[in-house]
Amino acid sequence: DVKVTQSSRYLVKRTGEKVFLECVQDMDHENMFWYRQDPGLGLRLIYFSYDVKMKEKGDIPEGYSVSREKKERFSLILESASTNQTSMYLCASSTRGGKGRSYEQYFGPGTRLTVT
Amino acid sequence: GQSLEQPSEVTAVEGAIVQINCTYQTSGFYGLSWYQQHDGGAPTFLSYNALDGLEETGRFSSFLSRSDSYGYLLLQELQMKDSASYFCAGGLTSGTYKYIFGTGTRLKVLA
Repeated sequence: DVKVTQSSRYLVKRTGEKVFLECVQDMDHENMFWYRQDPGLGLRLIYFSYDVKMKEKGDIPEGYSVSREKKERFSLILESASTNQTSMYLCASSTRGGKGRSYEQYFGPGTRLTVT
Repeated sequence: GQSLEQPSEVTAVEGAIVQINCTYQTSGFYGLSWYQQHDGGAPTFLSYNALDGLEETGRFSSFLSRSDSYGYLLLQELQMKDSASYFCAGGLTSGTYKYIFGTGTRLKVLA
């Protein structure tokens, strides 16, 4: 059974803290994504990675950075957490375009982050 | 900019048929996916349209018209467990792995 796991389901951090969100997939997928989900706004892409050590900005990268040192692991970093980063964070993975079914993303359970 | 618009909420009764529409604002989209998300759960893939026309998967069908920048998800024989949020997602170029998600439609199925 395919699986995307995220390090925490719930996280509470203080303003200014550095926050690490970890995502691991066991499907040998090339592509990995980080989204945030807010009511009425759908899923918004923060960053994605199409290979180890490769990354590209999504639609809302400000205040975030990412790291992909191994194929199965994609980390989202909030350099200095702020209250407007309180949200649900979803990680996803997919095969690379051209290998078939790249349109099918597999999502992790999400991390609900609260910044106080 | 690029965006996909969906109705925020749809309500239907058990056993009925419901259509959830998705319109997009750019001609650059290639292919349209649909995802289901139950409260507290992760989005799960439902269907994909690479070409214009109807794709059927059991009780769910999805339609795409690229000339009209429009697609929809059709759910038949509604069941209570279909109560969830549904998202369309448009691929930006052929063979892409980057998708833009719509705002989501919350479906309520009433007994």
